[in-house]
Amino acid sequence: GQNIDQPTEMTATEGAIVQINCTYQTSGFNGLFWYQQHAGEAPTFLSYNVLDGLEEKGRFSSFLSRSKGYSYLLLKELQMKDSASYLCAVRARQSNYQLIWGAGTKLIIKP
Amino acid sequence: GAVVSQHPSWVICKSGTSVKIECRSLDFQATTMFWYRQFPKQSLMLMATSNEGSKATYEQGVEKDKFLINHASLTLSTLTVTSAHPEDSSFYICSAPVRTAGEQYFGPGTRLTVT
Repeated sequence: GQNIDQPTEMTATEGAIVQINCTYQTSGFNGLFWYQQHAGEAPTFLSYNVLDGLEEKGRFSSFLSRSKGYSYLLLKELQMKDSASYLCAVRARQSNYQLIWGAGTKLIIKP
Repeated sequence: GAVVSQHPSWVICKSGTSVKIECRSLDFQATTMFWYRQFPKQSLMLMATSNEGSKATYEQGVEKDKFLINHASLTLSTLTVTSAHPEDSSFYICSAPVRTAGEQYFGPGTRLTVT
């Protein structure tokens, strides 16, 4: 079966660094995506990894290890506006664009 | 680039009526679009894959006669909730994949309330 696991909820302090982990078991692998979703809004695309290693985009970085079925999203210099849910998703098949979604990690930022 | 619009942003309708939601890709063509539903504090649930010029592919447990999908052009897909019931009240979101990697860009969502 297809499975993506992420922690349900995490808490961090403003200005700090937080790492959100994601592990996956899928029938195939053609890329892993991270999305941010604020309450009551649609998800917005953050990052994409298809090869092993770290992709950096400003305060956000995403890491992938295909052999371990593992990814993490690293958020630096946390701001209150980073309070949101973070969704991990995997594209399992090259033949279509359908994504398999994790349940999301709710990140709470405290002052 | 990669902007997806959705209309209406919210709608209230009476039980038994039908509601149409439009999803448009504004600056790119989308042969495929996805329709999701999300209940409060729950994750995204894929309802169906909309394919331009052909029938939609529905996920298991989603009634195709109740949730009618039409993808008549490369920039527009519509979802019609027929004979709506209060349990259909939810947040409906469409998305379209962009570029080779296939990252999905989402519309802003439609909040449906059935009274």
